[in-house]
Amino acid sequence: DIVMTQSPLSLSVTPGEAASISCRSSQSLLHSNGLNYLDWYLQKPGQSPQLLIHLGSTRASGVPDRLSGSGSGTDFTLKINRVEAEDVGVYYCMQALQTPLTFGGGTKVEIK
Amino acid sequence: EVQLLESGGDFVQPGGSLRLSCAASGFSFSTYTMNWVRQAPGKGLEWVSGIFSGGSSTLYADSVKGRFTISRDNSKNTLYLQMNGLRADDTAVYYCAKDQVPDGYWTFDYWGRGTLVTVSS
Repeated sequence: DIVMTQSPLSLSVTPGEAASISCRSSQSLLHSNGLNYLDWYLQKPGQSPQLLIHLGSTRASGVPDRLSGSGSGTDFTLKINRVEAEDVGVYYCMQALQTPLTFGGGTKVEIK
Repeated sequence: EVQLLESGGDFVQPGGSLRLSCAASGFSFSTYTMNWVRQAPGKGLEWVSGIFSGGSSTLYADSVKGRFTISRDNSKNTLYLQMNGLRADDTAVYYCAKDQVPDGYWTFDYWGRGTLVTVSS
C-alpha cells in the first residue's frame, strides 16, 4: 500500500498570511500519462470532506485561486495564500493512483 | 443538485451486521464509480470500498475484505454496504462519495453527510 505522510500536524496562521502543507508518498504518484494522481481535501469543522485539488494541481470547481497545489512524484505541497477564516479545518491529501486509496493523516489549520 | 444521503447507521454488538444505504440524486448515478469512506471518532479518513458503474467490479480495503460487501442498484440510484462480522474498530462515520469522472480516476467530488456506525458490547 502507498503510505501518505503529511506535515505539519497542525498550523496556526494569522489572517492574510500564507500557509503551506506538505504531503509525501511512499511511491511515485506520477502515472505514465504524465499526470500525478494526488488529491487534496478539506474537512471543515462539523462537515463532510470537500474536494479542493485533483491531479496534483487542478483546482476543483468553486475553489478560490488563493489555494494552489504543486509537486510531482512523491513530494506535493498545498499552499494557501492570504488565509481567511473560512480556510479553517483539517486538510487531507489522498493518493488516487492505485487501490487501496490512502489518505495522509491530516493537517489541522486554525486561525490565530 | 447532486445529493448523497446515507442511512442505516446504528449501534450494534461485536460480530453483528448492518447494511448501509446511500440514496443518490442529481446526476446520472449509473455512470459513476461510487465509494465508501469512513472516519473513526477523532481520526482521519479511510477509504473502505469502491464499485464501478456497472456493479460487477468491486474493490476493498484489506481491513474490511471478506467482511464487507459493496453493491449498487442503478434502477434505484442507491449504493449499499453490507457489513458483517463487525468489530469495535469499525466504529466510524461512513461517508458515501461519488467519483468525479465516469469510471475514471479516483477523485471524490461529492460526499454525503455520513451515517454513524457504533460497534460496542
